[in-house]
Amino acid sequence: DAGVIQSPRHEVTEMGQEVTLRCKPISGHNSLFWYRQTMMRGLELLIYFNNNVPIDDSGMPEDRFSAKMPNASFSTLKIQPSEPRDSAVYFCASSPGFPPGYEQYFGPGTRLTVT
Amino acid sequence: AQTVTQSQPEMSVQEAETVTLSCTYDTSESNYYLFWYKQPPSRQMILVIRQEAYKQQNATENRFSVNFQKAAKSFSLKISDSQLGDTAMYFCAFMFDNNDMRFGAGTRLTVKP
Repeated sequence: DAGVIQSPRHEVTEMGQEVTLRCKPISGHNSLFWYRQTMMRGLELLIYFNNNVPIDDSGMPEDRFSAKMPNASFSTLKIQPSEPRDSAVYFCASSPGFPPGYEQYFGPGTRLTVT
Repeated sequence: AQTVTQSQPEMSVQEAETVTLSCTYDTSESNYYLFWYKQPPSRQMILVIRQEAYKQQNATENRFSVNFQKAAKSFSLKISDSQLGDTAMYFCAFMFDNNDMRFGAGTRLTVKP
């Protein structure tokens, strides 16, 4: 298995532009998680899905952020419009989902820079 | 609110020696899971070890072991025979029964030759 795949690996964009981050979870995994990592705030859970359904999006910082999971093999995290403070590494992770307590398998992350 | 505290922002150890990283957590849940993840400079998050709260036996994975004290809500990681490749950020994490996971701020470990 290729593991969790994220694209792009690096993204540089200007303030105000729309940014879309993509994630392909490990095949057969039912849970998918989006995290943001910054020096100031560490690793924060933004949103997670079980069986393609968003379960908890309380970590999404504001309405500029949205996430979708149209099918079991694909998810997107969109920021519109982007701001410099959104600069961070964004990780996607997946897990089998059941039974609970499985480790989460992380993708390589997307480093986002908003200028 | 569930919180995870790693009180040591940075630590260093000599190659081949033993080091212990601290982690405490706060929860009212009775069933949960604890993890240590490693993040080397490549930034890839790698699972080091996992512990189920209902198991009293401490988890062990080769040179890595934990000291799980449920009553004290403590979950420390011991690395024996430290190797240069162990240099990384180490994150303690708490997982609810619904797979929601929360991370500590991390400890930067440097293994010196």
